[in-house]
Amino acid sequence: EAQVTQNPRYLITVTGKKLTVTCSQNMNHEYMSWYRQDPGLGLRQIYYSMNVEVTDKGDVPEGYKVSRKEKRNFPLILESPSPNQTSLYFCASSLFGGTNQPQHFGDGTRLSIL
Amino acid sequence: GQQVMQIPQYQHVQEGEDFTTYCNSSTTLSNIQWYKQRPGGHPVFLIQLVKSGEVKKQKRLTFQFGEAKKNSSLHITATQTTDVGTYFCAGLGSNDYKLSFGAGTTVTVRA
Repeated sequence: EAQVTQNPRYLITVTGKKLTVTCSQNMNHEYMSWYRQDPGLGLRQIYYSMNVEVTDKGDVPEGYKVSRKEKRNFPLILESPSPNQTSLYFCASSLFGGTNQPQHFGDGTRLSIL
Repeated sequence: GQQVMQIPQYQHVQEGEDFTTYCNSSTTLSNIQWYKQRPGGHPVFLIQLVKSGEVKKQKRLTFQFGEAKKNSSLHITATQTTDVGTYFCAGLGSNDYKLSFGAGTTVTVRA
């Protein structure tokens, strides 16, 4: 089954404790991205990747890191999480970036930073 | 980058009535996509509009892309309880590869 898989689905942690949210897609998509969803603000893009080893900042990149060493994986890293990063996070992928391709979203990861 | 504004933020609809949600961009868009997110779920792609003035229909849903490619609308006729959820528009900029989402319209339906 074609899908985008995120882990974990839920995480409660404390300020300053490094964490990684994994994202994997099995559709051989070139484009992957991370969004955060907050009430009243919709989906805001954190980082995106056009292909392996190519990443770029989205609208709200501060406090986050990403890497794209393999085509299928695009982990989101919070080196020193803070409470304002408490949010619902979605990973998404599409066949290509910058073209007429729909985004396929994962089920989301709800992070709570205390 | 472009900003995509979406109104209204909330829409409470009587079952059987029609409603429209609107999406406006500060800059010209290459295309616009619409997504639906059911409560507790993830956004799911509905449709994409590319051409100026384009109109597409999916059963009771009608999508329009403005002539200037800076605005779009989603019109739902005869609303049903299955239409509950949040509808997002997302615009792809003409000069970059970023998809900017609107804040969404959250729809509730009164039976």
